[in-house]
Amino acid sequence: EPEVTQTPSHQVTQMGQEVILRCVPISNHLYFYWYRQILGQKVEFLVSFYNNEISEKSEIFDDQFSVERPDGSNFTLKIRSTKLEDSAMYFCASSERQGSYEQYFGPGTRLTVT
Amino acid sequence: AQKITQTQPGMFVQEKEAVTLDCTYDTSDQSYGLFWYKQPSSGEMIFLIYQGSYDEQNATEGRYSLNFQKARKSTNLVISASQLGDSAMYFCAMREPSDPSGGSYIPTFGRGTSLIVHP
Repeated sequence: EPEVTQTPSHQVTQMGQEVILRCVPISNHLYFYWYRQILGQKVEFLVSFYNNEISEKSEIFDDQFSVERPDGSNFTLKIRSTKLEDSAMYFCASSERQGSYEQYFGPGTRLTVT
Repeated sequence: AQKITQTQPGMFVQEKEAVTLDCTYDTSDQSYGLFWYKQPSSGEMIFLIYQGSYDEQNATEGRYSLNFQKARKSTNLVISASQLGDSAMYFCAMREPSDPSGGSYIPTFGRGTSLIVHP
């Protein structure tokens, strides 16, 4: 069964450093998403992406964040200058259609900023 | 104001019994979608079930069903015949149009309910 994959599973970085979180969505999906979940809290939407453009973003997704689909398979989230409060689990998801309720989530990347 | 409210931080159920996880939502839109995700201790988010605001029938998916009460703005998840593997966090979520044209949807998640199934 096709699945969304994410690498790395755990990333530790120092405050102020740049990190890139990688995702490989399901191959025939066209819509891609990033979410984050601070430990013990709810899942929060960050951004959605379609046709090489951001289609929606939340207030959390400020200038330090960017997303890219550098090739036909990868979808990345870059955090330019990490802060302690960026420590969270970051989930990538993909769906066949816009607004599709059936978004398939990846296993997540746990980012720890020290 | 919270858009999604899950009032039960934790629930316990005996194996093979049914359990209901509560969720209420707040929206002024007529068109919206409600869904539930399961998050086991391993951390991944697993889609369980979906209910559209215009669906007249309660959604069912195997052992999962929704008790959708539109007037009360609630969409409770019922898990029948609980299994030990059902122990997990359960998140209720809603997507509603984020612009007047209704052309895009940003989902909002609740804080989750931790379900523990006892043998």
